[in-house]
Amino acid sequence: AQSVTQLGSHVSVSEGALVLLRCNYSSSVPPYLFWYVQYPNQGLQLLLKYTSAATLVKGINGFEAEFKKSETSFHLTKPSAHMSDAAEYFCAVRPSNTNAGKSTFGDGTTLTVKP
Amino acid sequence: GAGVSQSPSNKVTEKGKDVELRCDPISGHTALYWYRQRLGQGLEFLIYFQGNSAPDKSGLPSDRFSAERTGESVSTLTIQRTQQEDSAVYLCASSPGTAGNNEQFFGPGTRLTVL
Repeated sequence: AQSVTQLGSHVSVSEGALVLLRCNYSSSVPPYLFWYVQYPNQGLQLLLKYTSAATLVKGINGFEAEFKKSETSFHLTKPSAHMSDAAEYFCAVRPSNTNAGKSTFGDGTTLTVKP
Repeated sequence: GAGVSQSPSNKVTEKGKDVELRCDPISGHTALYWYRQRLGQGLEFLIYFQGNSAPDKSGLPSDRFSAERTGESVSTLTIQRTQQEDSAVYLCASSPGTAGNNEQFFGPGTRLTVL
């Protein structure tokens, strides 16, 4: 069984400020972890993924996330927010011991960037 | 280099009618997923196809929901006798292989409104 909790359904930051979006997971087997971004009226786009290699993962648009097994966390960060980062962000988990299979998604965090 | 496409983009129907939603995955992708996204919520897994294997239907909410896939191409999601609680965005995704670390590529979704 697996689950994802995204703390904070809405996060607001000023342009240029640090972005921190929180994700905690639960998985009975070692997980694969993903962050997706969804812009209005669009599908989800992969930002980055953790697949049991390096624990610090760098993605597109300057985002990165660190897998911390002891904290069961995979928080998403970006040093300096840009207006174009305003979107909804989803964390997802998938068990690593199966071939493909479904992902379990969090409820999402809406990021607002203030000028 | 087309991505995942879905049609229609919007569908408004009356309660009790049947609807059919279509997904065209990326050519060559063996895995195809359907998710439901209710307003303000995360993605809810519905069904998963992998090659010629039996689909994983564990997420279908009722027997009013069904899906088919022809080989490794088009998939249709059918909802019979629609109810107002079926109103949501239905997202389709495909991925290239069987490994669990494969990225899912999402379509733009079909927004279903049941009056």
